[in-house]
Amino acid sequence: AQTVTQSQPEMSVQEAETVTLSCTYDTSENNYYLFWYKQPPSRQMILVIRQEAYKQQNATENRFSVNFQKAAKSFSLKISDSQLGDTAMYFCAFMGYGNKLVFGAGTILRVKS
Amino acid sequence: GAVVSQHPSRVICKSGTSVKIECRSLDFQATTMFWYRQFPKQSLMLMATSNEGSKATYEQGVEKDKFLINHASLTLSTLTVTSAHPEDSSFYICSASKGETGELFFGEGSRLTVL
Repeated sequence: AQTVTQSQPEMSVQEAETVTLSCTYDTSENNYYLFWYKQPPSRQMILVIRQEAYKQQNATENRFSVNFQKAAKSFSLKISDSQLGDTAMYFCAFMGYGNKLVFGAGTILRVKS
Repeated sequence: GAVVSQHPSRVICKSGTSVKIECRSLDFQATTMFWYRQFPKQSLMLMATSNEGSKATYEQGVEKDKFLINHASLTLSTLTVTSAHPEDSSFYICSASKGETGELFFGEGSRLTVL
């Protein structure tokens, strides 16, 4: 069974600075997807970024980028130029065969002004 | 875009009653829908996978007689919490797949409070 581990329950960052959220996973599959989702206080799940395992190039989406290390099974999220609106719970997630998502425990990110 | 809508967003019911939550894909046909449960400040736990026209597949530890899932059409899946008790109070979220690997769309979630 796949597992996803987020070892940082809470993180804080000053506005305009950069923060990195950690995620590791375990799987025996070779083809899979990894995601970072944001869940603000509204609790709507918002896709931040997606990475296909077969792609070596790290995904980027504006201020958000990932460091995908397939051999190490590591998938960290870097948020640059942090904004107050980035304050939310962030979930790392794994998707293998069957489109089932396995979520990490989440990291609460607080952006301070 | 692909929109998934859940209804109701909030529901309060008395212990012992049943509650139905709907999950609709508004602008696409969802071959598969997933139901999750989320406790405050915790992660999303997959409850079951719902395929149109067939029985839902439940995750280990989820009572299928307690949480009835019906996927009657390609745009609608329902979760019925039967004989609800206070411990069933939670946030329930659905997601839907178009069938393309690697893409899921989430509903807004439904907060259930059982008194």
